[in-house]
Amino acid sequence: QKEVEQDPGPLSVPEGAIVSLNCTYSNSAFQYFMWYRQYSRKGPELLMYTYSSGNKEDGRFTAQVDKSSKYISLFIRDSQPSDSATYLCAMSGNSGYSTLTFGKGTMLLVSP
Amino acid sequence: DTAVSQTPKYLVTQMGNDKSIKCEQNLGHDTMYWYKQDSKKFLKIMFSYNNKELIINETVPNRFSPKSPDKAHLNLHINSLELGDSAVYFCASSQARGARGETQYFGPGTRLLVL
Repeated sequence: QKEVEQDPGPLSVPEGAIVSLNCTYSNSAFQYFMWYRQYSRKGPELLMYTYSSGNKEDGRFTAQVDKSSKYISLFIRDSQPSDSATYLCAMSGNSGYSTLTFGKGTMLLVSP
Repeated sequence: DTAVSQTPKYLVTQMGNDKSIKCEQNLGHDTMYWYKQDSKKFLKIMFSYNNKELIINETVPNRFSPKSPDKAHLNLHINSLELGDSAVYFCASSQARGARGETQYFGPGTRLLVL
């Protein structure tokens, strides 16, 4: 079992839909949870960051972490064609040299 | 202004050749990273340097040798290139050492194709 599992998609939705993206993980030492967005032929960019369990909202984006289930989610409200990208979850532990462990990414396609 | 830049953007070469990729960040960050993203889009850490010192060296063949002449630059030299080295290589940087919740800023990637 990989440390971080993420459905690669593609996930196709119409404009305005609510999108739910998810990752599961196996390492209970993970404390920091991030979502990166990667447009085609570009580098990933940080979208959301959450420490430990809970919810965080930023505009149309909401990140949720459930450490008891080892499950994290990213919700996108009122999705736009410009949201079409690959979304990678990433997580790290609490030690000084923790590396980021990425999921494989979910490709999202929002059609107008 | 580009925060993290990489050269070249594309690299096509023959098996057995030696090649280098350069990375520069103008963010004043202390830590820089090299990642490899394979054909299945899986992004995996290779190396990390903090203030020119190697701090993370994942299981990477010895043919890959990073070098940091100063904290704003991290280069990657690859000897005896193999077909399996074909991938996109991303450089990234962060403010301090380690990855605890720190934002990592990625470069645009170098697409390496080994024929």
